[in-house]
Amino acid sequence: GESVGLHLPTLSVQEGDNSIINCAYSNSASDYFIWYKQESGKGPQFIIDIRSNMDKRQGQRVTVLLNKTVKHLSLQIAATQPGDSAVYFCAEAGGGSGTYKYIFGTGTRLKVLA
Amino acid sequence: EPEVTQTPSHQVTQMGQEVILRCVPISNHLYFYWYRQILGQKVEFLVSFYNNEISEKSEIFDDQFSVERPDGSNFTLKIRSTKLEDSAMYFCASSLGQANTEAFFGQGTRLTVV
Repeated sequence: GESVGLHLPTLSVQEGDNSIINCAYSNSASDYFIWYKQESGKGPQFIIDIRSNMDKRQGQRVTVLLNKTVKHLSLQIAATQPGDSAVYFCAEAGGGSGTYKYIFGTGTRLKVLA
Repeated sequence: EPEVTQTPSHQVTQMGQEVILRCVPISNHLYFYWYRQILGQKVEFLVSFYNNEISEKSEIFDDQFSVERPDGSNFTLKIRSTKLEDSAMYFCASSLGQANTEAFFGQGTRLTVV
């Protein structure tokens, strides 16, 4: 969901469970999508990306799903660990703007409960 | 593993003063970016830079902002006359290519304008 200012959507999951973080992107012409993880006081860290010609891409413990019809992106984290606690941002790029600047989503805070 | 480095990690400046934020992108990367993140908000694009010129800039990047690549390794962001609302985390990023290649982010510089 959307949030403003300091109130990030928060997802709390038990350690070992799977997490699903959702994101709605804005530009139907965007053709590259990335998930970033941001820990407190640090810069965004790349997790996984997907191009618009794909619906699904898997990495180590993470899967990204892309639904272009409804402009929706999701990140699935398998067997969530305490080290996964962070804010997760989706970003979109391309869209014919000429440069691949990233447009970031609002972010979701993931809390892993022991 | 190569990384983007930024200095300083924290800069406190008085309103109206000039600041220069410094970045060393990954050495073989060709595209450079500045983003900012106001506390608790999403990461926002400021400017992209390629082949020694600005490729694209956002509406945030007004005449008070400038970027420079003074030598083969540094990439700087200058704010000429800082305002209170310039207080934010500033992230430098670089990418090897433009289309569909991930951008690597630095750890950020926290700018506090007082």
